[in-house]
Amino acid sequence: AQTVTQSQPEMSVQEAETVTLSCTYDTSESNYYLFWYKQPPSRQMILVIRQEAYKQQNATENRFSVNFQKAAKSFSLKISDSQLGDTAMYFCAFLRAGNMLTFGGGTRLMVKP
Amino acid sequence: SQTIHQWPATLVQPVGSPLSLECTVEGTSNPNLYWYRQAAGRGLQLLFYSIGIGQISSEVPQNLSASRPQDRQFILSSKKLLLSDSGFYLCAWSTSTLGPITGELFFGEGSRLTVL
Repeated sequence: AQTVTQSQPEMSVQEAETVTLSCTYDTSESNYYLFWYKQPPSRQMILVIRQEAYKQQNATENRFSVNFQKAAKSFSLKISDSQLGDTAMYFCAFLRAGNMLTFGGGTRLMVKP
Repeated sequence: SQTIHQWPATLVQPVGSPLSLECTVEGTSNPNLYWYRQAAGRGLQLLFYSIGIGQISSEVPQNLSASRPQDRQFILSSKKLLLSDSGFYLCAWSTSTLGPITGELFFGEGSRLTVL
């Protein structure tokens, strides 16, 4: 069974600085997808970034990038130039068969002015 | 464009009372539908998923049930609520498994259930 672990329940960062959220996972599959989702306070959860395991290049989306270490089964999210609007719960997720996602426990990020 | 709506947004129910949370999706056909529960300070737990009308799979044994009477309607129910059923319930949809596997889920606004 796949498991996803986020070891940082809460983090904070000063506006304009960089923060990295950690995620590790466990799977026996060789090809899979990993995701970071963002859940702002009182707003809908949305997809931040996606990584396909067979791609060695780390995915980037504007200020968001990942550090994907397949051998270590690590998938961290880096947020550069943090903005107040980045304050949210961040969930790491693993895709398994049937388009079903297994989520980690989440990291609550607070961006401070 | 596709939209997803779930209601009610907030619900306070006594122990032992019934529950019905509804979710509808618009702008797409034959979606995969999901019910997740998010307990306070914890991640999302998949409760039910459906790949078609009347096809429901349960991830964990519990006091809840789900039904899909129409292609784009997904209902979460309980005959008798327990205190442990309190939480934030999220409905979500994704493209059919027959389509591109993108892994992207589109979530509703959520329903906060408090059982007293």
